Amino acid sequence: DGGITQSPKYLFRKEGQNVTLSCEQNLNHDAMYWYRQDPGQGLRLIYYSQIVNDFQKGDIAEGYSVSREKKESFPLTVTSAQKNPTAFYLCASSTYQGQSEAFFGQGTRLTVV
Amino acid sequence: DAKTTQPTSMDCAEGRAANLPCNHSTISGNEYVYWYRQIHSQGPQYIIHGLKNNETNEMASLIITEDRKSSTLILPHATLRDTAVYYCIVRGAGNNRKLIWGLGTSLAVNP
Repeated sequence: DGGITQSPKYLFRKEGQNVTLSCEQNLNHDAMYWYRQDPGQGLRLIYYSQIVNDFQKGDIAEGYSVSREKKESFPLTVTSAQKNPTAFYLCASSTYQGQSEAFFGQGTRLTVV
Repeated sequence: DAKTTQPTSMDCAEGRAANLPCNHSTISGNEYVYWYRQIHSQGPQYIIHGLKNNETNEMASLIITEDRKSSTLILPHATLRDTAVYYCIVRGAGNNRKLIWGLGTSLAVNP
C-alpha cells in the first residue's frame, strides 16, 4: 500500500543530544514537508523540499536540519540548538505539479528530558 | 500568504449536518482552499479542496462564496467518528505550494 511512514512513533532523548526523525514515502511524490505541532496549536512549517537535493526553510527552521538525498526520504534532525524540542512532529508529501492534496504520516512524538 | 479564520469550537448532534465556516478574505485568485481534519494524536487527514466551484466527495461538501472570501465545509450526516479538529487552509500558488495552517475548529459530535 502506498503511504508515508514516520518512525518511531514515540521518541525520548536527553537534553543536549541531537536526534533524527525518519520520514519515508512510496507515493512517488516530489514535495515533502516537516511540521511541528504543540498542544492546542496548529501546524507550523519547519522545512520543505520540492525536489531531490533541494530544500527551503519554513517558518521555524532554527535548531533543525534536513536532507533530501533521495526522493523517498526526508529525515529531520532536531539539534541541541533547538530550545524547546518537545513536540509532535508531522511529515507530509505531495506532488509538485498541480494542486493535489498532501498526505501525512502518523507523526512522531518527541520528548526531551 | 492568505490566512484563515475559523471558530474555535462547534457542537453538532449525531446524524445532523455539521457546517464548519472559514474566512479567507485575503485569498488570491490562484490559491486553493483545502480542508483537513485531525483526530487526537494522529496525522491530519485530507477531506476536500476547491478553487471557486462547489465540490463534493464521499466525505463532505465544500461551498465557496462567489467572492471566494469564505467557505463552508459540510459533513452531511455527522457521526461520533467525525469528532476532530478541522483545519481550513489556503495553499500557496506557483513554486510555493506549502500549506498555511490556522488553529482549526474543534468539532464535537454528540450522541
